Amino acid sequence: NAGVMQNPRHLVRRRGQEARLRCSPMKGHSHVYWYRQLPEEGLKFMVYLQKENIIDESGMPKERFSAEFPKEGPSILRIQQVVRGDSAAYFCASSPLGGTSGNEQFFGPGTRLTVL
Amino acid sequence: SQQGEEDPQALSIQEGENATMNCSYKTSINNLQWYRQNSGRGLVHLILIRSNEREKHSGRLRVTLDTSKKSSSLLITASRAADTASYFCATSGGGGYNKLIFGAGTRLAVHP
Repeated sequence: NAGVMQNPRHLVRRRGQEARLRCSPMKGHSHVYWYRQLPEEGLKFMVYLQKENIIDESGMPKERFSAEFPKEGPSILRIQQVVRGDSAAYFCASSPLGGTSGNEQFFGPGTRLTVL
Repeated sequence: SQQGEEDPQALSIQEGENATMNCSYKTSINNLQWYRQNSGRGLVHLILIRSNEREKHSGRLRVTLDTSKKSSSLLITASRAADTASYFCATSGGGGYNKLIFGAGTRLAVHP
C-alpha cells in the first residue's frame, strides 16, 4: 500500500507565476489535509477536504490560494501569482476517517516551493 | 497565540542518554500526537495518545499526557545518533474537524 504521494517534490517559480501542488492520498483514504511549513517552524494547517468538498479552509489565505479534491484524481493546492513569501514546504496528509474524533494522519514527503 | 508549544527548542545529548521533550497546549483536545522530521524530509508519525489516556509506550518512546496541566512529554530512552531530528507535538480536536495544530518543534541532536 503506497503512502501519500506528492508531486512535484521541488518546484521553482518566478514571482507572478502559478504553482500547482498535487497530493494523492493513501488508498482508501478520503480525507485530505494541507499544511505549510516555513523554515525553522512547525506546520500550519491550511485546508481540510473530503472528496468534492472543502470542509475547513480556515487556514487558507483569503486570496491567491485555492484547493480542490475532485471525485477522481489527486487533491490540488493552487497558488496564483506567487510571491517570495509563499516559499515554503507544503505537506499533504490523509486519513481514513475525519470528523472530530481525531485520527492519525499520514503525511506525504512534501513539496518544496521556491519563489525567485 | 500558538497551540502546542514545545520546549526546549533545541536539545543536544550524547548517545545512550535519555531525551525528554515537553509540549503545552491551550484548548481542549481529543488526542495529541508526536511526529519526527528529519532535516528536509516529511513527517513520521511516532505515537498518538488520546485525551483519556495518561501514558503510552512504543519501543524506546514513552509519552505522557496531563490534561489538567494541558501538557505532554516525549521521552526517548537510550538515544542513538539516528534519533537526531526535529520532534513536533500536534493536537487534534480543539477546533473541530481533526485538523492538527503543531508546535514549533524541538531540534534534537544526538552525538556519537
